[in-house]
Amino acid sequence: EIEFTQSPATLSLSPGERATLSCRASQSIGRYLGWYQQKPGQAPRLLIYDASNRATGTPARFSGSGSGTDFTLTISSLEPEDFAVYYCQQRSNWGPFGQGTKLEIK
Amino acid sequence: QVKLVQSGIEVKEPGASVKISCKASGYTFISYDMHWLRQAPGQTLEWMGRIKVGSGITKYSQQIQERFSITSDTSATTVYMELSSLRSEDTAVYYCARISADSNGYWGHWGQGTLVTVSS
Repeated sequence: EIEFTQSPATLSLSPGERATLSCRASQSIGRYLGWYQQKPGQAPRLLIYDASNRATGTPARFSGSGSGTDFTLTISSLEPEDFAVYYCQQRSNWGPFGQGTKLEIK
Repeated sequence: QVKLVQSGIEVKEPGASVKISCKASGYTFISYDMHWLRQAPGQTLEWMGRIKVGSGITKYSQQIQERFSITSDTSATTVYMELSSLRSEDTAVYYCARISADSNGYWGHWGQGTLVTVSS
């Protein structure tokens, strides 16, 4: 079973700064990776699919890149509403998800 | 628009069963599978299973398949999940989810979540 390692576990930044989140797969998954944002008390929200495609409604400041085993989610300039937990997930019928990166206000 | 509305908070004793509903609207119900995932406190998301709503065919995670079942009522456009022999480690928020039509198989539609607390 494929496993994901997300880093860092916690990222402390200020609004306006650039955020770079990493997701590494234990084996190659091509470009079949999605990124989700989850705020406290809410369901996850799909941001990026197939590594680099923005889902409907995802702001342009969010971008994804990577293929194979190494993937990156970049937020070009943080807005206050971007502070949340971010999960990566392999596209399949059963996940799996990474352990998440918590993006917190510095 | 697509809406998935789940039933409310549940508190159960160890050994009991829980049944949660997910009412779907805004799309052709039988055209999409429905999945169930859960998230224990402070943890990541875990896929539990799915149902092909049109046929009723199910597939479950090996870790819980002996205690878990998903059913659907097409006339009510509602999917149900039932988890039996509850343990403290089943305490979690349970989500129903559906893939998006325009995002190549990823879960773009989610219910609001149902908190299940297992405690004596």
